[in-house]
Amino acid sequence: EVQLVESGGGLVQPGGSLRLSCAASGFTFSSYEMNWVRQAPGKGLEWVSYISSSGSTIYYADSVKGRFTISRDNAKNSLYLQMNSLRAEDTAVYYCARSGGGYAPFDYWGQGTLVTVSS
Amino acid sequence: EIVMTQSPATLSVSPGERATLSCRASQSVSSNLAWYQQKPGQAPRLLIYGASTRATGIPARFSGSGSGTEFTLTISSLQSEDFAVYYCQQYNNWPPKGTFGQGTKVEIK
Repeated sequence: EVQLVESGGGLVQPGGSLRLSCAASGFTFSSYEMNWVRQAPGKGLEWVSYISSSGSTIYYADSVKGRFTISRDNAKNSLYLQMNSLRAEDTAVYYCARSGGGYAPFDYWGQGTLVTVSS
Repeated sequence: EIVMTQSPATLSVSPGERATLSCRASQSVSSNLAWYQQKPGQAPRLLIYGASTRATGIPARFSGSGSGTEFTLTISSLQSEDFAVYYCQQYNNWPPKGTFGQGTKVEIK
């Protein structure tokens, strides 16, 4: 069974940092592309970042470029999101989501971890 | 950047009735269009991909159609567990990887 489990969320002050993790199991992690998607309270879904299966290709949404860093450790079946210079508007539930190669939807999602940026 | 527009924002439907949700892309996304269902407090779940292919385990009452810029999700006979928010997503032109629509909430009439 495919499982994605996020952790690392919490309350952080504006300007602070947080590192999210996503532990994957039930599939060959190193064969899949991964994404972070967030959802602000009461709002819709916003794609945040993408990393290829090898980690060689990375993309970010303009809203987080220069502040967030996505990475993965295929030996540990884990995905990460380092979030720096956090702002109130980064407050959201953050989901990790799997996608296949090429043109592919996000077929499995974690349960999400809440990040709250507030003083 | 492609913009995905869903309509209506809210759809009020009685159990057993048909629901039709629309999604429009600002430029062609071919058939690289997915639909997701999200219930309160839960992660989104993939329903449809490739505009019309049901994901594993999705009941046959869910169907998708369309290509290019106009897409439709139809729920043929709404069950109580189908009341949720539905999002469309294009994955044809990226980055950004997977532009989402703003969602349609299907509520009980």
